[in-house]
Amino acid sequence: KNQVEQSPQSLIILEGKNCTLQCNYTVSPFSNLRWYKQDTGRGPVSLTIMTFSENTKSNGRYTATLDADTKQSSLHITASQLSDSASYICVVSDRGSTLGRLYFGRGTQLTVWP
Amino acid sequence: GAGVSQSPSNKVTEKGKDVELRCDPISGHTALYWYRQSLGQGLEFLIYFQGNSAPDKSGLPSDRFSAERTGGSVSTLTIQRTQQEDSAVYLCASSLNGGENTEAFFGQGTRLTVV
Repeated sequence: KNQVEQSPQSLIILEGKNCTLQCNYTVSPFSNLRWYKQDTGRGPVSLTIMTFSENTKSNGRYTATLDADTKQSSLHITASQLSDSASYICVVSDRGSTLGRLYFGRGTQLTVWP
Repeated sequence: GAGVSQSPSNKVTEKGKDVELRCDPISGHTALYWYRQSLGQGLEFLIYFQGNSAPDKSGLPSDRFSAERTGGSVSTLTIQRTQQEDSAVYLCASSLNGGENTEAFFGQGTRLTVV
């Protein structure tokens, strides 16, 4: 069964600290993995995309990693800011006959305190 | 339109009433997903439409929930005899077929409150 699991479910950190969010998946065949950020009251927006051949990709203070062998991804946030408080959602796309179905994790709720 | 549009943005309804939530995906997107987020909970899959294929309804929590997608475009999620536990934000997303750059585009969601 194709699944995407995220951890932790929620996380509280102090402003300026770093944190790492985890995403494990069983989706096969794998096409790509995206991390989305969902601000309160808004729809999620894409932060970064990882394809099979990519191990690391950065977008400002956000760095995503992918280990396609162990089917794990992480999102590392450096020097956190109050505006990083949001839900972070991991979405994995398959490459099967269903033409790229997306599988969504439940998300990690990050709260950054001053 | 330029993005995924959901309506209404907010809905307050009395317990036992029926509600309809609408999602207008990006033009040309064949895949459409409905999810919901309850207070303090993460995303919960409801239903998936892909082109003319039979939808995956495995996430619908009860037979009070139904969804349809007319003409492969607009989708309506209907909740009959609403209960308080149905209160949540209902999110719709759409995407193009396949490819290594497949991306989901989300609407702003409909916040449903059952009183």
